Amino acid sequence: DAGVIQSPRHEVTEMGQEVTLRCKPISGHDYLFWYRQTMMRGLELLIYFNNNVPIDDSGMPEDRFSAKMPNASFSTLKIQPSEPRDSAVYFCASSLAGAGMDEQFFGPGTRLTVL
Amino acid sequence: AQSVTQLDSHVSVSEGTPVLLRCNYSSSYSPSLFWYVQHPNKGLQLLLKYTSAATLVKGINGFEAEFKKSETSFHLTKPSAHMSDAAEYFCVVSDLDNDMRFGAGTRLTVKP
Repeated sequence: DAGVIQSPRHEVTEMGQEVTLRCKPISGHDYLFWYRQTMMRGLELLIYFNNNVPIDDSGMPEDRFSAKMPNASFSTLKIQPSEPRDSAVYFCASSLAGAGMDEQFFGPGTRLTVL
Repeated sequence: AQSVTQLDSHVSVSEGTPVLLRCNYSSSYSPSLFWYVQHPNKGLQLLLKYTSAATLVKGINGFEAEFKKSETSFHLTKPSAHMSDAAEYFCVVSDLDNDMRFGAGTRLTVKP
């Protein structure tokens, strides 16, 4: 397996634009996680899915952020409209079992810059 | 709720000398503890994990960590640093399924 795949690797956009980040988890993994990493706040869990169903989205910063998982092999994180403070590295991770029980495999991340 | 504190934001060692990255946690339950490593411009990779089995956990690349309940610590060690160990290291605690807390990270620098 190629591991968790994220695209794009880098995204530069202007304030107010819509941004869509994509993730393909490892085949067979039932859990998918979206994280955001910033210097100020470190790594934060935004949302996670179990069997394509969003379980906990309490980490999503505000209504401008939304995430979907239409099938077991694809998830998106959308920001609309984007703001400069959204600039961060966004990681997607997947695991076989719950986060407290099993290893999470992380993608390479998407570095987002909002001008 | 659980939390984790990495006591050093930056550690610098010489190649061939021991590495110690410190982590303290708080948890209301029996926690699971993890160390992840992040190399520049890469995703996070699991080094090792503790899930209430042996208190001394051996991981990849010669790293190990010891769970000390009395000290609420889970420090990461390696006997001899290698240049390739230079990276950011994250201590993670989880005491309820799917609720993980990441430390702020410790940047390890290895000098030749």
